[in-house]
Amino acid sequence: EPEVTQTPSHQVTQMGQEVILRCVPISNHLYFYWYRQILGQKVEFLVSFYNNEISEKSEIFDDQFSVERPDGSNFTLKIRSTKLEDSAMYFCASSDYRDFYGYTFGSGTRLTVV
Amino acid sequence: KQEVTQIPAALSVPEGENLVLNCSFTDSAIYNLQWFRQDPGKGLTSLLLIQSSQREQTSGRLNASLDKSSGRSTLYIAASQPGDSATYLCAPTEGGSEKLVFGKGTKLTVNP
Repeated sequence: EPEVTQTPSHQVTQMGQEVILRCVPISNHLYFYWYRQILGQKVEFLVSFYNNEISEKSEIFDDQFSVERPDGSNFTLKIRSTKLEDSAMYFCASSDYRDFYGYTFGSGTRLTVV
Repeated sequence: KQEVTQIPAALSVPEGENLVLNCSFTDSAIYNLQWFRQDPGKGLTSLLLIQSSQREQTSGRLNASLDKSSGRSTLYIAASQPGDSATYLCAPTEGGSEKLVFGKGTKLTVNP
């Protein structure tokens, strides 16, 4: 069964450093998403991406965050200057058609900011 | 703004029991609703997807129902097994948007 692949599975970074989280969505999917889950809290929407542009973003997704699809297979989330409160599990998801087939999530990247 | 509530927050049952997990949401203008399973420290595994025009979906021992007008969905697990132990998350879309809004989940423990 097709999978969404995320790398790395765990990343530790120092406060103020830039991090890039990487995702390989399912190959024929057109819609891409990032969600995050702070330990013990709900999964929260960050951003959706379609046709090489952001289609929707949450209030969490401020100027410190950016997304990119640098080639035909990868989808990345960049955090420019990490804060302690950015520590969370970050999930990438993809969908082939928003209404009918649902979302497939990756296994996540655990980001720890120290 | 979509708000999602899942009841109960935690549930412990003996193996073999049939059980029902409840989800309520405030905005009925959804595209669809998904139920996910999350094991500790792991990702989200999709269990069932119900479109807004559907009333229920079934997969193996799982059955999910949707009553959009009352803002409710239930996940029914038949003949529970220890391997079903996990947190179950309900996630409808938000009205007019494709984004998912998650509940806090129900943590299920099935005892052998």
